[in-house]
Amino acid sequence: GQQVMQIPQYQHVQEGEDFTTYCNSSTTLSNIQWYKQRPGGHPVFLIQLVKSGEVKKQKRLTFQFGEAKKNSSLHITATQTTDVGTYFCAGLGNTGKLIFGQGTTLQVKP
Amino acid sequence: NAGVTQTPKFQVLKTGQSMTLQCAQDMNHNSMYWYRQDPGMGLRLIYYSASEGTTDKGEVPNGYNVSRLNKREFSLRLESAAPSQTSVYFCASSAARSGTLHFGNGTRLTVT
Repeated sequence: GQQVMQIPQYQHVQEGEDFTTYCNSSTTLSNIQWYKQRPGGHPVFLIQLVKSGEVKKQKRLTFQFGEAKKNSSLHITATQTTDVGTYFCAGLGNTGKLIFGQGTTLQVKP
Repeated sequence: NAGVTQTPKFQVLKTGQSMTLQCAQDMNHNSMYWYRQDPGMGLRLIYYSASEGTTDKGEVPNGYNVSRLNKREFSLRLESAAPSQTSVYFCASSAARSGTLHFGNGTRLTVT
């Protein structure tokens, strides 16, 4: 069945450093969504990518969707302590169901 | 706007006990979902309801049942709780099937 793998599982950075999390699907995706979950909170929708090769930016966050629509990445420039949390990708495949990656937990040292 | 409301927030059960997790949304969304979250496993879909009157199994449906009571409410029932069902449960809704998800605050369930 469809699988979505996300790496790394954990990342510790110094405040000001950059951070990237990667998402890979075993099948071609119709779209990919990204969510952020603060410690003790619930996942909150960040963005959706639909087109092959699409790049979207939200302030210091850059989201990319691969040309083959099987991978995606989230890059944060100059991390801040407010970026702490777990970032999830979720891919919509041919099953019509949204499958979540395992998430990347980001810790930022001030 | 409350969004998605889940009750209870915390629950401790003994093995074999039953309980129902309640979820309601006020966004007039058609689709509703139940996920469980375990460390290192991400969010796994238990059941979903694409529209009022329909329910379907997700990735991990064993040991659970659901009821889409009306367009607003979608409940998750554990008939005979097991320690493997210790988890954080999230209800979510979306305007359309597999659209962007709005999550509730979660229910932390411990089964001893």
